Amino acid sequence: GIQVEQSPPDLILQEGANSTLRCNFSDSVNNLQWFHQNPWGQLINLFYIPSGTKQNGRLSATTVATERYSLLYISSSQTTDSGVYFCASNNAGNMLTFGGGTRLMVKP
Amino acid sequence: DAGITQSPRHKVTETGTPVTLRCHQTENHRYMYWYRQDPGHGLRLIHYSYGVKDTDKGEVSDGYSVSRSKTEDFLLTLESATSSQTSVYFCAISGRRDRALHEDTQYFGPGTRLTVL
Repeated sequence: GIQVEQSPPDLILQEGANSTLRCNFSDSVNNLQWFHQNPWGQLINLFYIPSGTKQNGRLSATTVATERYSLLYISSSQTTDSGVYFCASNNAGNMLTFGGGTRLMVKP
Repeated sequence: DAGITQSPRHKVTETGTPVTLRCHQTENHRYMYWYRQDPGHGLRLIHYSYGVKDTDKGEVSDGYSVSRSKTEDFLLTLESATSSQTSVYFCAISGRRDRALHEDTQYFGPGTRLTVL
């Protein structure tokens, strides 16, 4: 099956800083999603982005399918951005494979 | 947010006892999934369903069974719980009628924290 790797595994930011999270996948994909798991454990959809670029407020994501990676940009980070960010993808059917996550801590 | 509930939200049980977790959706999505989340392993798929009475195994299905008798409900059963099944269990749904299946977003429920002593 497809392999999904995320980097960095951990990230500490000062409030207001920008950051880039990376997701590499081992094969072409039909589905690429970014999720945020908040400190209470809830998984929240951020983007469905198998290719191209999308923006939602301070967050944006870009997937370069031909080079098998996706990037999540967080600008002007806030303490509420803290948590774990996961990317997940598949290349056939509906079974998503999740990366190991990037744990983000934003300090006030 | 997608209408997904899980019950119970927390459960403590003893080794060897049967446990059933319930996922309920109000979105009429076709697909339903059960994942477990463990430190160091991320989220891993246990079983999924692609319709009423249609289920299939995921990556870590040993020790688990599932049933889907109605579109809105997907049950996960641990026939004889073991300590290795202590985990947080998430249900997810996908399969909006206006999207191709493989292009669809998965939405997650709030999770069930299960502790097996």
